[in-house]
Amino acid sequence: AQSVTQPDIHITVSEGASLELRCNYSYGATPYLFWYVQSPGQGLQLLLKYFSGDTLVQGIKGFEAEFKRSQSSFNLRKPSVHWSDAAEYFCAVGAIGTYKYIFGTGTRLKVLA
Amino acid sequence: NAGVTQTPKFQVLKTGQSMTLQCAQDMNHNSMYWYRQDPGMGLRLIYYSASEGTTDKGEVPNGYNVSRLNKREFSLRLESAAPSQTSVYFCASNQGTQETQYFGPGTRLLVL
Repeated sequence: AQSVTQPDIHITVSEGASLELRCNYSYGATPYLFWYVQSPGQGLQLLLKYFSGDTLVQGIKGFEAEFKRSQSSFNLRKPSVHWSDAAEYFCAVGAIGTYKYIFGTGTRLKVLA
Repeated sequence: NAGVTQTPKFQVLKTGQSMTLQCAQDMNHNSMYWYRQDPGMGLRLIYYSASEGTTDKGEVPNGYNVSRLNKREFSLRLESAAPSQTSVYFCASNQGTQETQYFGPGTRLLVL
């Protein structure tokens, strides 16, 4: 069965520090991969997505993610975190040929001033 | 362009009451979705509509019904609310499979 694992429930970083949020998936073939961000009380906003091609994907707000097929991972990174990045981040997998998207349980990011 | 809108924003129900959550999108998307979000469980798909006139069950459809009223609107109905349906409900839409989903702001539902 397809699944998405985000091992870190909470992460705290200092403003200006680098960030890496982990995402591992289980799927029989190469899935379509997404990272979404959710600010408190808001809906989800797409940060970036991977369908095929270059395994390093650039997104909005200075985020990037790297698809590693051998590790079944799609980790999200940012070189320097800003206080406004505090939010919850969700990794998601799109099952090819279906309309069903599987979301991870989320990682809540806290940024220290 | 409002994107995806949801009404109401908040609702409190008593066990056994019914209600309908409304969702509308103005992006001319073919597909629409209803999710629920619970702490520690991420988003779980309740129902989706691949295109106007079709609806299908997702991961957690029990206790819910949906209607794709037209291409713009997709409603979620709770016929007899239960405390286990206390959650935040999100509507989303996209153009089709593997396309980016656009989310509404959510409806917070409390069932007492």
